[in-house]
Amino acid sequence: AQSVTQLDSQVPVFEEAPVELRCNYSSSVSVYLFWYVQYPNQGLQLLLKYLSGSTLVESINGFEAEFNKSQTSFHLRKPSVHISDTAEYFCAVSVQGAQKLVFGQGTRLTINP
Amino acid sequence: DTAVSQTPKYLVTQMGNDKSIKCEQNLGHDTMYWYKQDSKKFLKIMFSYNNKELIINETVPNRFSPKSPDKAHLNLHINSLELGDSAVYFCASSQGHRGWETQYFGPGTRLLVL
Repeated sequence: AQSVTQLDSQVPVFEEAPVELRCNYSSSVSVYLFWYVQYPNQGLQLLLKYLSGSTLVESINGFEAEFNKSQTSFHLRKPSVHISDTAEYFCAVSVQGAQKLVFGQGTRLTINP
Repeated sequence: DTAVSQTPKYLVTQMGNDKSIKCEQNLGHDTMYWYKQDSKKFLKIMFSYNNKELIINETVPNRFSPKSPDKAHLNLHINSLELGDSAVYFCASSQGHRGWETQYFGPGTRLLVL
């Protein structure tokens, strides 16, 4: 069965600083990888996903994540964060035919001015 | 215009009561889900339906009974509520259930059992 570990429960950074949120997964078969974001008091929304092809995927708001098969990782990065990026970020994995997402524990990103 | 909506947004009730949460999606999706998010923000799938048929039941106590009257609606009924049922319940939907589809989440229902 697949599992996801987000290594940091909280990440505080200053505005305009770079950030990396770490995600490692465990699976014996090929996976699809996702990052979802949850703003305060809202539901989750997709930030980006890796299905196949280029290992670097980008979102429209400046985030990117790189699929690293050898390290079984899918870390999320942004070169310069904004106050509005304050949220909970969830890494998730699914496998073809498994019909469900398995989520990590979440990382709370806090941006300080 | 809300894609996935849930009612109620907040639910405060006594132990032992029975309650229902409703979910509707207007995206034309075939698959709907219920998730439970605990106080530590851990999110776990409970049920999944595809075209009104149950496809995932993640060893949830049988006090929880989902019902899908049509593919746009997935309701969750909870009998004999317990303190441990306090959580945020999210409904979601996707076009298909093969694993790669984006899931669209509702705003959540915050359930507090006293």
